[in-house]
Amino acid sequence: QVQLVQSGAEVKKPGSSVKVSCKTSGGIFGSNGISWVRQAPGQGLEWMGGITAVFGTANYAQKFQGRVTITADKSTTIAYLELSSLRSEDTAVYYCAASGTYYPSYFDSWGQGTLVTVTS
Amino acid sequence: ESVLTQSPGTLSLSLGERATLSCRASQSISSNSLAWYQHKPGQAPRLLIYGASSRATGIPDKFSGSGSGTDFSLTISRLEPEDFAVYYCQQYGSSPFTFGGGTKVEIK
Repeated sequence: QVQLVQSGAEVKKPGSSVKVSCKTSGGIFGSNGISWVRQAPGQGLEWMGGITAVFGTANYAQKFQGRVTITADKSTTIAYLELSSLRSEDTAVYYCAASGTYYPSYFDSWGQGTLVTVTS
Repeated sequence: ESVLTQSPGTLSLSLGERATLSCRASQSISSNSLAWYQHKPGQAPRLLIYGASSRATGIPDKFSGSGSGTDFSLTISRLEPEDFAVYYCQQYGSSPFTFGGGTKVEIK
């Protein structure tokens, strides 16, 4: 199984952007689809989007269309989530998750989570 | 978008009891593309079941999944202390992927 290590916690102001990284190791980059899932305080899990790294093609939940960008850098084996126009409701723990298939599907490996706090 | 409804919201059971969790989809899930996760506070979720009934690597056989179409269930045969957590179902048969609202399994 691939291992995932995420970047550290972030504090952002409303209207700004955040970029969270997810370093992958222990597998062949591109052999696992990578998704981003978030959990707001007291809420459940929410899929934001995913990328088929071998092709570099991303797919996003409509709720986040226009605000989210998911990319994958083959040279560094790092996947990124960028979320713009932040608002207080974006305060959450953000997880990257790898699928057992080369495209996003079920998630058999997870990063440790990155807390993003949006506050003025 | 396929909406997943989990029931009950909370399940209060004693050690050694059997737990049965339900996940109902608003539309049929293609190829039984349904997964179950265990989530404990401060930890990342853990995959238990994929393809509705296949156990993930290292998952003990006390966890079993069943169902097809729109109705799925997760059974924990004998509850042990480490099993008390929140459980989520997730469909990956169509985009956007969606999660159920979760079932909290707590000690009675």
